[in-house]
Amino acid sequence: QLVESGGGLVKPGGSLRLSCVASGFTFIGHGMNWVRQAPGKGLEWVSSIKSGSTSMYYADSVKGRFTISRDDAKTSLYLQMSSLRAEDTAVYYCARDKYGAHWFDPWGQGTLVTVSS
Amino acid sequence: DIQMTQSPSTLSASVGDKVTITCRASQSLSTWLAWYQQKPGKAPKLLIYKASSLESGVPSRFSGSGSGAEFTLTISSLQPDDSATYYCQQYNSYTSTFGQGTKVEIK
Repeated sequence: QLVESGGGLVKPGGSLRLSCVASGFTFIGHGMNWVRQAPGKGLEWVSSIKSGSTSMYYADSVKGRFTISRDDAKTSLYLQMSSLRAEDTAVYYCARDKYGAHWFDPWGQGTLVTVSS
Repeated sequence: DIQMTQSPSTLSASVGDKVTITCRASQSLSTWLAWYQQKPGKAPKLLIYKASSLESGVPSRFSGSGSGAEFTLTISSLQPDDSATYYCQQYNSYTSTFGQGTKVEIK
């Protein structure tokens, strides 16, 4: 129901745009989120966007470098990442809000971003 | 920022054992806490939301309790399929934080 794409190898300081295509539910009515997981590490919430793009939220670690957006007509979620650092290396998951609250379900399969020279 | 501390970091238990994982928050969350299960190479799966509500399709051996700043996830009778890492998640004003995870191993 959620399929991410756009990951890959990028040099420090570079940019990358992740996409997440949703299906099987009414995309327009749900808040959406990005969560990442560095190799061998725990989960880190990255960013969220409310339905209707009314508000966006970011973790301090990515604020000013990442931008979350959505296209309801394309049932798609995006994460524009710039000024990438080695510590941004992770699997990036998109996830939907559930029950009108910030509980994450379902999740996509994830897309790997590697920042390395 | 709200910090979440899970304990223990790892635990090893036998099939049939009762297992308890604790999550403590740096400030009161009311009941704005969820639990997830993650198996290697897979996306996390929602188990419990709003501290104690069991997600549809999740076995009843899983339960959550707590409010304020201390929460627990209990597996009443550990099964081989429960081998995984478990994370708590808080949300406050639409931002969120995960605990560092608890790896559950089967003896």
